[in-house]
Amino acid sequence: QQQVKQSPQSLIVQKGGISIINCAYENTAFDYFPWYQQFPGKGPALLIAIRPDVSEKKEGRFTISFNKSAKQFSLHIMDSQPGDSATYFCAASYQGAQKLVFGQGTRLTINP
Amino acid sequence: DAGVTQSPTHLIKTRGQHVTLRCSPISGHKSVSWYQQVLGQGPQFIFQYYEKEERGRGNFPDRFSARQFPNYSSELNVNALLLGDSALYLCASSPDRVTGYTFGSGTRLTVV
Repeated sequence: QQQVKQSPQSLIVQKGGISIINCAYENTAFDYFPWYQQFPGKGPALLIAIRPDVSEKKEGRFTISFNKSAKQFSLHIMDSQPGDSATYFCAASYQGAQKLVFGQGTRLTINP
Repeated sequence: DAGVTQSPTHLIKTRGQHVTLRCSPISGHKSVSWYQQVLGQGPQFIFQYYEKEERGRGNFPDRFSARQFPNYSSELNVNALLLGDSALYLCASSPDRVTGYTFGSGTRLTVV
């Protein structure tokens, strides 16, 4: 119940296209869903996060879509750029928990 | 402002040895967490400390221990190292609870 399942494992998108990464969870107590971006040799950096009281959150080219009934959430990267090439992790947590539960990661490659 | 700083950046140890990893949180952040990231996987929660007390522990053996000092810096200790302990060890800090964690660049531990 603590798992967060992420797909796909890897994704190749052309420059200017839309990158979509999906995550699913089981624990209905989760109330915080962040996405992290990680470059080689660096730690994860928070991109954007959402709470289940909204269905969508947009920050620049990054959008989280959240489906509470399906227990799924996704990251959309619009107008994908080569600089977006990185590994992306979804995560989840709940109030009172002391940890983030991460998905397995998606390696995104944007071809110029 | 300095981010989360971790030392050393890289470390090679022999099986059976012990290791101490260090973390300095962002100034003003009282919560420090440790995560283990095995190559190709998402980070796994090890410990959280808040106000110098352990507030959470992940599913790791007793060979793993940590502590937080009065200046909120933290150490992660691993005894009797195994080959499987080879990983990137990440420290993350937050001003209070789990949301908004900032990660350091990690310590790459290789056990040979």
